[in-house]
Amino acid sequence: DTGVSQNPRHKITKRGQNVTFRCDPISEHNRLYWYRQTLGQGPEFLTYFQNEAQLEKSRLLSDRFSAERPKGSFSTLEIQRTEQGDSAMYLCASSLDRGRDGYTFGSGTRLTVV
Amino acid sequence: GDSVTQMEGPVTLSEEAFLTINCTYTATGYPSLFWYVQYPGEGLQLLLKATKADDKGSNKGFEATYRKETTSFHLEKGSVQVSDSAVYFCALSGGGSNYKLTFGKGTLLTVNP
Repeated sequence: DTGVSQNPRHKITKRGQNVTFRCDPISEHNRLYWYRQTLGQGPEFLTYFQNEAQLEKSRLLSDRFSAERPKGSFSTLEIQRTEQGDSAMYLCASSLDRGRDGYTFGSGTRLTVV
Repeated sequence: GDSVTQMEGPVTLSEEAFLTINCTYTATGYPSLFWYVQYPGEGLQLLLKATKADDKGSNKGFEATYRKETTSFHLEKGSVQVSDSAVYFCALSGGGSNYKLTFGKGTLLTVNP
């Protein structure tokens, strides 16, 4: 297992376009999390899944954002009608159960909206 | 809700200097505490953790002790190296947060030779 994998590493898109990111967690981890990190800030929680069920969504996740985790394996995060304020690093993490021993993060997808 | 406050950066040190980065937290219940490190252009790596009061987490010469009475988890290293230059994040999970991680804003450390 090579850890948590995120694709693409970088994405530049024009305002108004839709983008989709993918996260492949560690195979035995049942929880998967999405975070957003802007320059000079700590990561902010967006949403998490336990297996295929999306259990919590942050208020940061507007109607333009949607996340899925079909079959409890990989996850996708889609942003529709992107805005310049969506420019950020999108981080995925996974954990076994409640993650009291820590989460494993991917390298992130850096989104730039021009 | 849960929150983490860590000292503002940037912190600039000379090689072999002593490092302290302060971190305090607010949480209900008994959270787990973590320090994550982020090198330029990379994701977050778990540096160390502590899951209960008085536990000491340690890794790569870094240490932090879970102090429930002062709600603190300060990061220390006796002798920093240039390769330690990175952003350090204090975080907690558990407590009232349903085990999602809550992060501080991060502290940029630069170590000069």
